[in-house]
Amino acid sequence: DADVTQTPRNRITKTGKRIMLECSQTKGHDRMYWYRQDPGLGLRLIYYSFDVKDINKGEISDGYSVSRQAQAKFSLSLESAIPNQTALYFCATRALMGYTQYFGPGTRLTVL
Amino acid sequence: GEDVEQSLFLSVREGDSSVINCTYTDSSSTYLYWYKQEPGAGLQLLTYIFSNMDMKQDQRLTVLLNKKDKHLSLRIADTQTGDSAIYFCAELRGNNRLAFGKGNQVVVIP
Repeated sequence: DADVTQTPRNRITKTGKRIMLECSQTKGHDRMYWYRQDPGLGLRLIYYSFDVKDINKGEISDGYSVSRQAQAKFSLSLESAIPNQTALYFCATRALMGYTQYFGPGTRLTVL
Repeated sequence: GEDVEQSLFLSVREGDSSVINCTYTDSSSTYLYWYKQEPGAGLQLLTYIFSNMDMKQDQRLTVLLNKKDKHLSLRIADTQTGDSAIYFCAELRGNNRLAFGKGNQVVVIP
């Protein structure tokens, strides 16, 4: 059973549409993260959260927003999608006193 | 922030050893990691090393850490076709954020 799940796994949308990507975890971890991966650029941090009331911007937060609805859920929204947001998006979790991030399987988003 | 540097591509024959290198940036990084990404899949943690160690061995994997040069390497012994993937190094920086390299694609030739 996957500990970190992401939905949808693939999405194709049009410029200007609002999109929400969801992440759920059963690991009981407090910390959750959203990254995007672009070919040849590695992973870049979009937003992260250390608990339900905590939201922090990462390196590339412009054009994105997040919501930490519960300890187990962290969603990423694109209010008005644009083509350069086409990427692979990963959610990750980490325990409060842990040193390792665990990743979900990724969501491939294409904005036309 | 500064980039974590990795070379981009490595091809290796099945059965040989592979060595992947990484240069990280933050001398206060406490943990350094190697992640593996197979085609179409997420990132799988392979191994990690604490900054006060200089070597860690885990079955076919050997991690070497040179803190003076901020250099991290991953050696895979007896490379197998299932080792074909993109390998990312990452550092847990002093601001408690994980910074990734751009990845190194390893292709294993049967």
